[in-house]
Amino acid sequence: GAVVSQHPSWVICKSGTSVKIECRSLDFQATTMFWYRQFPKQSLMLMATSNEGSKATYEQGVEKDKFLINHASLTLSTLTVTSAHPEDSSFYICSASGGANQETQYFGPGTRLLVL
Amino acid sequence: AQSVAQPEDQVNVAEGNPLTVKCTYSVSGNPYLFWYVQYPNRGLQFLLKYITGDNLVKGSYGFEAEFNKSQTSFHLKKPSALVSDSALYFCAVRDISTDKLIFGTGTRLQVFP
Repeated sequence: GAVVSQHPSWVICKSGTSVKIECRSLDFQATTMFWYRQFPKQSLMLMATSNEGSKATYEQGVEKDKFLINHASLTLSTLTVTSAHPEDSSFYICSASGGANQETQYFGPGTRLLVL
Repeated sequence: AQSVAQPEDQVNVAEGNPLTVKCTYSVSGNPYLFWYVQYPNRGLQFLLKYITGDNLVKGSYGFEAEFNKSQTSFHLKKPSALVSDSALYFCAVRDISTDKLIFGTGTRLQVFP
């Protein structure tokens, strides 16, 4: 149980384009989803927290107009990197919590984004 | 402020030997503590957690961790390491007021055959 998927697993795009990443909880209802960014050989950096049906809460220094987050249902959250630039290249990981294990975050497999 | 420290960047151990990955925490109130493992180019996999109850917590893949309140530690252990245990391990504490996880910097475990 507690499986979280992400799609796509990797994406290469041109500078200036937008990229959407999906995060799904497959076998539980995720009342809260989190989006992280991880740089090489570093720990995870929380970008934002989203609760189903409400606006995401962004961490300090994260541009909400740059990283659009939608949590439209209890099983799906999306992160859209708008007008991507090379410095947005990173490993993006989502997590979800809810159901019987509200206190535990379960992580997706991650999405590697490369902006050329 | 709540924080987690993983004092070792890397831990090396021979296959078959016991392993310990250290974690200490600083929180106000009772801690919710977690261990996750990350394999290359993958997300984090949940190993185990301590919320309350028995100080020795058993988790996935034969791992266990001991909650020590007096030493504010939550070290990850395994009696006999496998080469396939080689990965990056993260300790984390949950901020009760925000539900956010506060991660340590990670410890790379290398198990040699």
